[in-house]
Amino acid sequence: DARVTQTPRHKVTEMGQEVTMRCQPILGHNTVFWYRQTMMQGLELLAYFRNRAPLDDSGMPKDRFSAEMPDATLATLKIQPSEPRDSAVYFCASGSLGTGGNTIYFGEGSWLTVV
Amino acid sequence: DAKTTQPPSMDCAEGRAANLPCNHSTISGNEYVYWYRQIHSQGPQYIIHGLKNNETNEMASLIITEDRKSSTLILPHATLRDTAVYYCIVRVRGYNNNDMRFGAGTRLTVKP
Repeated sequence: DARVTQTPRHKVTEMGQEVTMRCQPILGHNTVFWYRQTMMQGLELLAYFRNRAPLDDSGMPKDRFSAEMPDATLATLKIQPSEPRDSAVYFCASGSLGTGGNTIYFGEGSWLTVV
Repeated sequence: DAKTTQPPSMDCAEGRAANLPCNHSTISGNEYVYWYRQIHSQGPQYIIHGLKNNETNEMASLIITEDRKSSTLILPHATLRDTAVYYCIVRVRGYNNNDMRFGAGTRLTVKP
């Protein structure tokens, strides 16, 4: 079964530390999304890429968050410096636009706790 | 994209059909209706999508009204494992549309 793989699954870090979350999209998918989920805000779209190019990162706090796709098999979301309010589940999703369905497939998430 | 309105929560008896409504009164002609669900602690999962015709797959059926202003997701024989948050999303399908934004969804609880 093809799936989106995220690492780490769980991370506890101290405030001020750098956090990097990684995502391996499904092979052949040309669009990658990053979402954040908290109890208060629900599922928020942070950023997305098409063919590795960033298309929209308006949902992302610019001062501390950055998202990149170094190659087609890896997407990263970095927080520097991390703050307690960044504690959330971060989901990566990928999809293949232009083909049947335009559906997107989610990974299992990276559970981040900043103390 | 058009916004959607869903009830915050619903209950359903195990083995019965679960009918989850979604209002999308401002949907435009080229926007599809998508349904996803999120089981606790997991990533959202695609269920079904449609444009104007009713659709059915192994998971569910999607009924879209003729004016396309609302739709209903039907789980024909709900099980306890169908307890989840169900999201209704409308978006344009195509290469130039990329985002998928989720609302609050409906929390479905299937009870024994």
